[in-house]
Amino acid sequence: GQQLNQSPQSMFIQEGEDVSMNCTSSSIFNTWLWYKQDPGEGPVLLIALYKAGELTSNGRLTAQFGITRKDSFLNISASIPSDVGIYFCAGQSDTSGSRLTFGEGTQLTVNP
Amino acid sequence: EAQVTQNPRYLITVTGKKLTVTCSQNMNHEYMSWYRQDPGLGLRQIYYSMNVEVTDKGDVPEGYKVSRKEKRNFPLILESPSPNQTSLYFCASSLTGGGFTEAFFGQGTRLTVV
Repeated sequence: GQQLNQSPQSMFIQEGEDVSMNCTSSSIFNTWLWYKQDPGEGPVLLIALYKAGELTSNGRLTAQFGITRKDSFLNISASIPSDVGIYFCAGQSDTSGSRLTFGEGTQLTVNP
Repeated sequence: EAQVTQNPRYLITVTGKKLTVTCSQNMNHEYMSWYRQDPGLGLRQIYYSMNVEVTDKGDVPEGYKVSRKEKRNFPLILESPSPNQTSLYFCASSLTGGGFTEAFFGQGTRLTVV
């Protein structure tokens, strides 16, 4: 099946720092989603992107849909301790119907 | 409150003993799916359902069954669980299988098969 490469796998940062993570694919995607998973919980949608080149913000979070439709990045500005968790990218393509393909996740740790 | 509800949250069972994990959504969503989450592998889709009585295999369907007799429920069945099915399982639903819409996830079921 399709695969998404998400990097980095983990990040350890100080409170107040900015964070950037990205996902790349060998296939073209029509939709990119970014989820956050808190410990013991299910993933929660942060940002959805539907158009190549689209740049969308949600508070301190900004995500972009790559112009080639094969990548996306998520930035978090001025990180705070509650940003801790696993961040997943997910993509949907023409050939996958409503199915989502997920990246392996980025584990973020924020030191106060 | 709009939500996807899974039960149980935690389950320890023995190899070969049939079990069912229930999933229910109250959003009248057409599309429902099951994922398993394993360290370093992200979320992998097990089965999905586009609507009532319509189900199909995801990426890792072996050892699992599902049914969709009603729109709101999508149980995951392990007829003969094995230790390699020890994992964290998530049910998800989204509005429609036609145009894509965001998936909402349940809180997860942590299954241990000994």
